Amino acid sequence: QAVLTQPSSLSASPGASASLTCTLRSGINVGAYRIYWYQQKPGSPPQYLLRYKSDSDKQQGSGVPSRFSGSNDASTNVGLLFISGLQSEDEADYYCAIWYSSAWVFGGGTRLTVL
Amino acid sequence: EVQLVESGGGLVEPGGSLRLSCAASGFTFSNYWMTWVRQAPGKGLEWVANIKENGGEKFYLDSVKGRFSISRDNAKNSLYLQMNSLRAEDTAVYYCARSPDGVDYWGQGTLVTVSS
Repeated sequence: QAVLTQPSSLSASPGASASLTCTLRSGINVGAYRIYWYQQKPGSPPQYLLRYKSDSDKQQGSGVPSRFSGSNDASTNVGLLFISGLQSEDEADYYCAIWYSSAWVFGGGTRLTVL
Repeated sequence: EVQLVESGGGLVEPGGSLRLSCAASGFTFSNYWMTWVRQAPGKGLEWVANIKENGGEKFYLDSVKGRFSISRDNAKNSLYLQMNSLRAEDTAVYYCARSPDGVDYWGQGTLVTVSS
């Protein structure tokens, strides 16, 4: 089982909200890790969006709009990236990552389609 | 402005070697962990290696241990990745990245193709 699992795709309408999930493998407690989120558009390198561990331990990337936010759900062991007021420019691949066992681990990515 | 510019990619035969370089500017290079991340064509991101500010600690992806070596020259604001015994599965765009706490800035990447 992968350390981080993301759904391969998600679709949402302009103006709506989207929740992107990052499920941590059983035994890896979401509350113990900073989860980092990245956005990547075709032909470009990833860009850092934010990190979230708790409401007292979170960081927004430089210049990242506040409509991007993070959270987690301990009951399902999931990290979440929430995007409100979806715009066409939000269409991209989104990756989560954690520092685990002396290695950076990335999720497989979610392709968000805004249509 | 933080800038990371990779170079050294190209076509190499299986078993061959390449040395990637990354020129950093716009920040105090010696104060930051640095990282290499790769992305195979049409695939997701995969961390490769990272190195502490003074080069005293290094970590590697299991599949590249013993074949790849990360290093840095703080006097030249440069990061390197020496890649030996290259395999077809090492084919990817390799990104140089700054990683003080997660990865916050990425270069544009350099393509490495391993093929005969």
